[in-house]
Parts: sequence; structure tokens; C-alpha cells
Amino acid sequence: KAGVTQTPRYLIKTRGQQVTLSCSPISGHRSVSWYQQTPGQGLQFLFEYFSETQRNKGNFPGRFSGRQFSNSRSEMNVSTLELGDSALYLCASSSRDRASYFMDGYTFGSGTRLTVV
Amino acid sequence: KQEVTQIPAALSVPEGENLVLNCSFTDSAIYNLQWFRQDPGKGLTSLLLIQSSQREQTSGRLNASLDKSSGRSTLYIAASQPGDSATYLCAATASGGSYIPTFGRGTSLIVHP
Repeated sequence: KAGVTQTPRYLIKTRGQQVTLSCSPISGHRSVSWYQQTPGQGLQFLFEYFSETQRNKGNFPGRFSGRQFSNSRSEMNVSTLELGDSALYLCASSSRDRASYFMDGYTFGSGTRLTVV
Repeated sequence: KQEVTQIPAALSVPEGENLVLNCSFTDSAIYNLQWFRQDPGKGLTSLLLIQSSQREQTSGRLNASLDKSSGRSTLYIAASQPGDSATYLCAATASGGSYIPTFGRGTSLIVHP
């Protein structure tokens, strides 16, 4: 079956612009989580959506936002881009429908590499 | 606040060696501890998950152990192969909260023929 699909794979944006990243989870998965990965900070949790509702949120500024659609596809948006937003953004989906993060149930996408210049 | 540290940050070994990767966490009240593999430019692949009530998990040449009292987990790779070259990350999920996992920075492993 198809895995988690993230689009686009690569993106170059200019400071001050905004960007929208997309994540299509595995069919039947209702939970989608977003992570930011940088060499300096490692992998950091952004937020998690379940059934179109944000269930958990990491410690990121309000410029980072997301949403989930009725088909479980999710988007994250970053407004007023800064150089420090350059990172690999990873999406993970899960079939788990309760707040017990077993993580073995999570499947990660290949990520979107965002470069801000 | 949970902090996860992985040592060493990088490792280069000849093929055939047995390896031990280390992961330590500051809050021993964890729900589970998981090991992932990440290939360059790719997402994370789950390797092993250890629940808080377990001491170890095994999958093929991989064995992961958990010692909550000391805040440590180890990933043992037997008879390493060049295909094992990747970054290995551990993630600890603290119990009693939002169940958000905290990741270590990873160990970058190179196995040369």
C-alpha cells in the first residue's frame, strides 16, 4: 500500500514569504504529526492532528500552523519565513486513534527540504 | 523537561563488527522508548519499540535494551554490514502527559567493507 506522501520534496523560498507543505497519510490513518529536523536542534515536534482537530502542539511560534482535512490529508503553513526555518519537515501518520503514542504505528514520509534564502 | 542524549554522535567501523549505540534520557517516567533508522534524505523507519514494562526487544540482528532506573537504552547491532550505514535515532515518550516523543540527535553510523 502507498506510504506517507509529502509534497513538494524540495522548496526554496525567500525570507518573508510564506510556504505551505502537504502530507497525505496512509489510507485509513487519521492521525498526522509534523516534525522539524535541523542539524542544530535535531528532530522537534511541531503539532499533531487527529480527525481535523489539533490534538497536541510543540513549542514553536505562531508563524507555524497546520490543518487537517476530512480525508486526513494535512497541510502545514509557515508565514513570514526566516533563515532559521530552513529544515527538513517530516510528516508521520498513524492508525492509532487514542493518545497513546506507540510510535511503531507511525509511518514517516520522506520529508520536504525547505531552504530559506 | 525530557532530554535525550545519544553517544557517540558518529561511528565508523569495519564490516562484521558488533556495535553498541547508546541513548540516555533524563526523565525515567517514560511510556516507551523507540529506535529509528534514517537514511540520507529520507524519513524515519521504526526499528524497535520497548514499552516501559519491558527490558528488551529483538529483531533480527538488532537488540534494544531499556533500563529506566538509570535512564538508558542501548541498541546492539550484531555482525554489522555496509547496508547498516545510516543515522540511528532514539525517542523517549514521557508518561502522564501529552505523549509527545523527545528525540535524540542521533548516531551517524558508517560501516565500511
